[in-house]
Amino acid sequence: ETGVTQTPRHLVMGMTNKKSLKCEQHLGHNAMYWYKQSAKKPLELMFVYSLEERVENNSVPSRFSPECPNSSHLFLHLHTLQPEDSALYLCASSQQGAYGYTFGSGTRLTVV
Amino acid sequence: KQEVTQIPAALSVPEGENLVLNCSFTDSAIYNLQWFRQDPGKGLTSLLLIQSSQREQTSGRLNASLDKSSGRSTLYIAASQPGDSATYLCAVNPASGGSYIPTFGRGTSLIVHP
Repeated sequence: ETGVTQTPRHLVMGMTNKKSLKCEQHLGHNAMYWYKQSAKKPLELMFVYSLEERVENNSVPSRFSPECPNSSHLFLHLHTLQPEDSALYLCASSQQGAYGYTFGSGTRLTVV
Repeated sequence: KQEVTQIPAALSVPEGENLVLNCSFTDSAIYNLQWFRQDPGKGLTSLLLIQSSQREQTSGRLNASLDKSSGRSTLYIAASQPGDSATYLCAVNPASGGSYIPTFGRGTSLIVHP
């Protein structure tokens, strides 16, 4: 356990479903990140929150909607996804990078 | 814009060999550099973090060095084992001043066979 917990670990959803991914950290970090990792592709940064404010939105489609209610929790709300959105979604946190980044174990998402 | 390159992209070695994985970056104004390990379908596990003022860090059979002026870091793995098989990524964190978004390399995929 790294200190960053992601749930669920696996998710299968239809294209018309609505679901949410959850990330929780109790490391006292003040920045949280969502990354997407598709098969045989590098990490893609999706969203960054610092002090609960979104500071980076890396041209992500609106069918992905992040939410950061406090410094310990980060959500990724999903709706009307496409099969190409199937990937490993990783959450990370940091103290603004000063001491590196801590990643969760990821959510394996399959869109059918 | 920072660019991070990892060489080689893939490596297959017999057990027991000493290995060197390379990470180069184009902008030397970095805050720190971090090496990660990723097993298939899993998250990233932090291996070593080197602050910009440091030259190297060691953990067990792993040693990471940093030469900021030349834009290079190496990860040395001594006496490799099959359990070391994974993808190794380096991430460069830009110098402080409000930016805290790391730049990742594409990784080196390592296979250590018995």
